[in-house]
Amino acid sequence: GQSLEQPSEVTAVEGAIVQINCTYQTSGFYGLSWYQQHDGGAPTFLSYNALDGLEETGRFSSFLSRSDSYGYLLLQELQMKDSASYFCAAGTGFQKLVFGTGTRLLVSP
Amino acid sequence: DTEVTQTPKHLVMGMTNKKSLKCEQHMGHRAMYWYKQKAKKPPELMFVYSYEKLSINESVPSRFSPECPNSSLLNLHLHALQPEDSALYLCASSQDAQGGTDTQYFGPGTRLTVL
Repeated sequence: GQSLEQPSEVTAVEGAIVQINCTYQTSGFYGLSWYQQHDGGAPTFLSYNALDGLEETGRFSSFLSRSDSYGYLLLQELQMKDSASYFCAAGTGFQKLVFGTGTRLLVSP
Repeated sequence: DTEVTQTPKHLVMGMTNKKSLKCEQHMGHRAMYWYKQKAKKPPELMFVYSYEKLSINESVPSRFSPECPNSSLLNLHLHALQPEDSALYLCASSQDAQGGTDTQYFGPGTRLTVL
């Protein structure tokens, strides 16, 4: 089967740094994406790792270790607007994206 | 323009009704997707169209019937749904649908309630 596990909830304060982990077990793996979804909104693409290592996009960075079947999303300088659900998603084959269980991030003042 | 639009935003239907959800993109993408998302759960893939042909059906019940009239439009026809089908239905598109690694752009979704 396909599974991507994430912590269900993470809390942090404004200005802090938070890391959201994702461990995966998939048959076929082409890369790991991260999506943000605000309540009532659409998932929006944040970052993608095809190869091992760190990808940086502004305040967001994402890391992948294929040998450990593990990735994380790092959010720096947290803002209230970052309160949302975050999903990792694995490309598992032709046109197929499997989403992780999701992490709800709560940012407090 | 990186926008995917979906109509309607909300839909309430009875179990005997027939309705359709619509999705449109003008990014020139050649792959389009339907996902179902229940509250506090991740999106689950239902169908994939690639170059206007159905390429993936994730064992979705036949009461859901997808249609891709052209490269910009995607429909989901609904008939004889059950209350457990109530969910947010998301449409997405991506550029050339290779290896599942293309960035997918999501529409705002249709929130469906089946009575």
